Amino acid sequence: EVQLLESGGGLVQPGGSLRLSCVASGFTFSSYAMSWVRQAPGKGLEWVSDISGSGGSTYYADSVKGRFTMSRDNSKNTVYLQMNSLRAEDTALYYCAKDKGGKRYVDYWGQGTLVTVSS
Amino acid sequence: DIQMTQSPSSVSASVGDRVTITCRASQGISSWLAWYQQKPGRAPKLLIYAASSLQSGVPSRFSGSGSETDFTLTISSLQPEDFATYYCQQTNSFPITFGQGTRLEIK
Repeated sequence: EVQLLESGGGLVQPGGSLRLSCVASGFTFSSYAMSWVRQAPGKGLEWVSDISGSGGSTYYADSVKGRFTMSRDNSKNTVYLQMNSLRAEDTALYYCAKDKGGKRYVDYWGQGTLVTVSS
Repeated sequence: DIQMTQSPSSVSASVGDRVTITCRASQGISSWLAWYQQKPGRAPKLLIYAASSLQSGVPSRFSGSGSETDFTLTISSLQPEDFATYYCQQTNSFPITFGQGTRLEIK
């Protein structure tokens, strides 16, 4: 059974940093791209970042480029999202998501971890 | 960036109704489109990928069609558990983008 378990969310002041983690199980982790998708309270889905199975390629939404860094440790079946220079508009539930295989469709989602940026 | 526009933003329907939701891309995306269903307090669920392929375990009353810029999600006979918000997503190119969502409500 595929499981994705996020952690690391919390309350942070504007300008601060957080690192989200997502531990995966139930599939051959290194064979699949992974992504982060966020959802602000009461709003729609926003793709944030994506990383290839090897970790060699990363992609970012314009809204986070230069501030967020996605990485993975295939030995630990874990992806990370390092978030710096946080803004109020980064407040959202952050989902870890698994690529279905090939074209970035998401077939499994975590339960999400809430990030709140407020003073 | 490719913009995805869904219509309608919300729709009211009854159990047993046939419902169609549309999604328009700002430029051609071939068939690189997915549909997701999201219920309150839950993570999204993949329904359709590659515009018309049904994800495993999804009831056959859900179907998708379209290519390039115009896509549709059809629910042939609404069931009580189908009342939710639906999102389209293009994966043709980065940045990946979602539509704004369509809320399907009970009439």
